[in-house]
Amino acid sequence: GDSVTQMEGPVTLSEEAFLTINCTYTATGYPSLFWYVQYPGEGLQLLLKATKADDKGSNKGFEATYRKETTSFHLEKGSVQVSDSAVYFCALSNFGNEKLTFGTGTRLTIIP
Amino acid sequence: AAGVIQSPRHLIKEKRETATLKCYPIPRHDTVYWYQQGPGQDPQFLISFYEKMQSDKGSIPDRFSAQQFSDYHSELNMSSLELGDSALYFCASSSTGQGRETQYFGPGTRLLVL
Repeated sequence: GDSVTQMEGPVTLSEEAFLTINCTYTATGYPSLFWYVQYPGEGLQLLLKATKADDKGSNKGFEATYRKETTSFHLEKGSVQVSDSAVYFCALSNFGNEKLTFGTGTRLTIIP
Repeated sequence: AAGVIQSPRHLIKEKRETATLKCYPIPRHDTVYWYQQGPGQDPQFLISFYEKMQSDKGSIPDRFSAQQFSDYHSELNMSSLELGDSALYFCASSSTGQGRETQYFGPGTRLLVL
């Protein structure tokens, strides 16, 4: 079945550091890929998405590129802020079966 | 913009009791999904509905049932509650016309079973 493997956390960075959170997937066909963010005590917010190979999703300074050859969708940000502290989930959905399959989540803490 | 509404936001129940969680999707969204997130866990898919018909089923216990009504809101009914049912329950909605694969989540209902 479909699965998502996500970089284990927690990850602690200093403000303005470069961020990478790795995500790889296993799926049949051509899934859509997502990053969701969960702030403390809140629900899941869609951060960005990509629906086909080589697409780049971007939002709020975060970026991720759909790499079919490496089955990856790594999340990056050039300069993190304290307000980026949250749990980040990589997820996929497959055509004809739109349920989301999530990775285990990565807790990110940014220190001033 | 209108978001997914879930009620109640918090719920405390005793073992063996029943609970009903409600979800109001974004207007004009035709698909509703339910997920369960245990403490420190990733969300797990329970069940989904498209145009009021069940469209997919995941790891939903037989003690749970759900339906989508004519106004597209959905309810998750949970009976014979167990301690292990304590979790955050999310509802999400999507629209076929706007890219059904993109799901928008509600704030969740936090259920505590004592």
